[in-house]
Amino acid sequence: GQQVMQIPQYQHVQEGEDFTTYCNSSTTLSNIQWYKQRPGGHPVFLIQLVKSGEVKKQKRLTFQFGEAKKNSSLHITATQTTDVGTYFCAPSEAGTALIFGKGTTLSVSS
Amino acid sequence: GAVVSQHPSRVICKSGTSVKIECRSLDFQATTMFWYRQFPKQSLMLMATSNEGSKATYEQGVEKDKFLINHASLTLSTLTVTSAHPEDSSFYICSAPDSGGSNQPQHFGDGTRLSIL
Repeated sequence: GQQVMQIPQYQHVQEGEDFTTYCNSSTTLSNIQWYKQRPGGHPVFLIQLVKSGEVKKQKRLTFQFGEAKKNSSLHITATQTTDVGTYFCAPSEAGTALIFGKGTTLSVSS
Repeated sequence: GAVVSQHPSRVICKSGTSVKIECRSLDFQATTMFWYRQFPKQSLMLMATSNEGSKATYEQGVEKDKFLINHASLTLSTLTVTSAHPEDSSFYICSAPDSGGSNQPQHFGDGTRLSIL
């Protein structure tokens, strides 16, 4: 499966600050999916990016897929305590298992 | 939306016990399901791909005789951890791709936290 690297591994922010996590691959990706896992919970699907240069927004979350389809990012504007968790990116291929990056764990202090 | 049910959610048992974990797709058929393992503060690692009607495919380093997988129907896959030992303690989680088409998101069960004493 295609491997991805996520940075940073950990990020602590004050509530209201912005947060960005990056997902990088050495090879071109077909698609990439983003998941959020709350402490003690299971991964929850957030978004899938398919097109080169694609940008999608979900309220305070902005997802981008690079022009070369080798990297992706998730940006959260004005973080809230409810944003706490680990964010994983995972390349996706039809019908195959997801190979998760190591994730970025976000902590937010109020 | 599509839901995957995983049971039990938590197991605590003695070393040497075999533990069965069930993963059910509730409102869709899943010819394929995936089993992951997650150790504390680590990512999810794929263990095996469960295929309805055929043998499971195991990832490198995962013992097929230790982790028995059975995909008896289009809605049920089971993972049995045989003769579990403390090092098998982990969070086990299954997923199934949405049957709505290619590259659809995967639906995860709630996971099973296994603790071997």
